Amino acid sequence: DQQVKQNSPSLRVQEGRISILNCDYTNSMFDYFLWYKKYPAEGPTFLISISSIKDKNEDGRFTVFLNKSAKHLSLHIVPSQPGDSAVYFCAARNSGGSNYKLTFGKGTLLTVNP
Amino acid sequence: DADVTQTPRNRITKTGKRIMLECSQTKGHDRMYWYRQDPGLGLRLIYYSFDVKDINKGEISDGYSVSRQAQAKFSLSLESAIPNQTALYFCATSIGFGGPLGAEQFFGPGTRLTVL
Repeated sequence: DQQVKQNSPSLRVQEGRISILNCDYTNSMFDYFLWYKKYPAEGPTFLISISSIKDKNEDGRFTVFLNKSAKHLSLHIVPSQPGDSAVYFCAARNSGGSNYKLTFGKGTLLTVNP
Repeated sequence: DADVTQTPRNRITKTGKRIMLECSQTKGHDRMYWYRQDPGLGLRLIYYSFDVKDINKGEISDGYSVSRQAQAKFSLSLESAIPNQTALYFCATSIGFGGPLGAEQFFGPGTRLTVL
């Protein structure tokens, strides 16, 4: 039962354009959603998050949008840069009890062409 | 210096061998986690620990065991390694409460394990 889904294994974008990475979830108990970025041979690093009570959070070139009714979130990168090429993981935290575990999607490999 | 370190970074072992992966953190976080990453499967939780005396199984704990030796140290053991345990293993930490600060996990650089 995959509670966090990233249906696009890969995405290729031209430098300067917008990158949109998508994520769907099924569990209504998720209270925070996070995006992580992972370069080869490194651990995932936190990029941006959004609370379930918000619909948008922006940090520089990165914006995350949350549509609770559709159980969908997306990460927008504008403008995309070659250094953004990495695997992006969507993650969600379950607020049930005191668990606070993260559930990760399978990741989307973003390639930004110069 | 890295806040979350893992040793070894790379390991090749044979089927049936016992192997231990170690994780240390200087962030002062109570919570520590072990994940494995496989191509196309994302990050899956193996074990997690909310403090030294609290150890919990994750979604794929079979074939693994853990030890929380101190707040700063969390080890993952494969008692008898098998080839399908070949993967990238990550340790992570987090603060032990809710809210936005408690949501973020901080990852180590990973250990690439190959079981022949």
